[in-house]
Amino acid sequence: DAKTTQPTSMDCAEGRAANLPCNHSTISGNEYVYWYRQIHSQGPQYIIHGLKNNETNEMASLIITEDRKSSTLILPHATLRDTAVYYCIVRLNQAGTALIFGKGTTLSVSS
Amino acid sequence: DTAVSQTPKYLVTQMGNDKSIKCEQNLGHDTMYWYKQDSKKFLKIMFSYNNKELIINETVPNRFSPKSPDKAHLNLHINSLELGDSAVYFCASSQTSQRSRSSYNEQFFGPGTRLTVL
Repeated sequence: DAKTTQPTSMDCAEGRAANLPCNHSTISGNEYVYWYRQIHSQGPQYIIHGLKNNETNEMASLIITEDRKSSTLILPHATLRDTAVYYCIVRLNQAGTALIFGKGTTLSVSS
Repeated sequence: DTAVSQTPKYLVTQMGNDKSIKCEQNLGHDTMYWYKQDSKKFLKIMFSYNNKELIINETVPNRFSPKSPDKAHLNLHINSLELGDSAVYFCASSQTSQRSRSSYNEQFFGPGTRLTVL
């Protein structure tokens, strides 16, 4: 079972920041927080991951609370193409570790 | 160039038939996976292979048999297809690494194969 809880759905206006929360209160010390998204009818796509420090890449930023019990994925300027299901996943950073997907958050970006 | 490719994209077949789905990755990765996404959109791991060796085998019926002829390929063979096997099957690959800040261990997914059993 997934070890994360996320809101079922969120809306965001195009051009605004999308902040997607995730709770992972039972995360263990050696587990990472990963974010993937799945655009309709496509395979999931990696976005970002982190252990305890905040992370940023060309797609998004990841803010992890100090106690690591929750995190927020930030899409700084959402576009219509960011409409997707976003999955927050905690997992060990080990070879072949599977991704355990929950229900995710459906983000709808509108103009 | 497609990183992870699957064939066929769509597969419609009758109950009781045997079918195969092929997966190939040209990323040089050493680990490959099969995931199943059912009609309710839940994605679940089925198998994973590292260097052609099975390392994850979730509770999947024996009718499903993965085969990895080499590190770049992981095929899924399904015997005696049932209605409940209808789903989208995704193949994925990753390169193992202990470097947490690298993009290694990131899984790259294929486009999926939509299997419909009639």
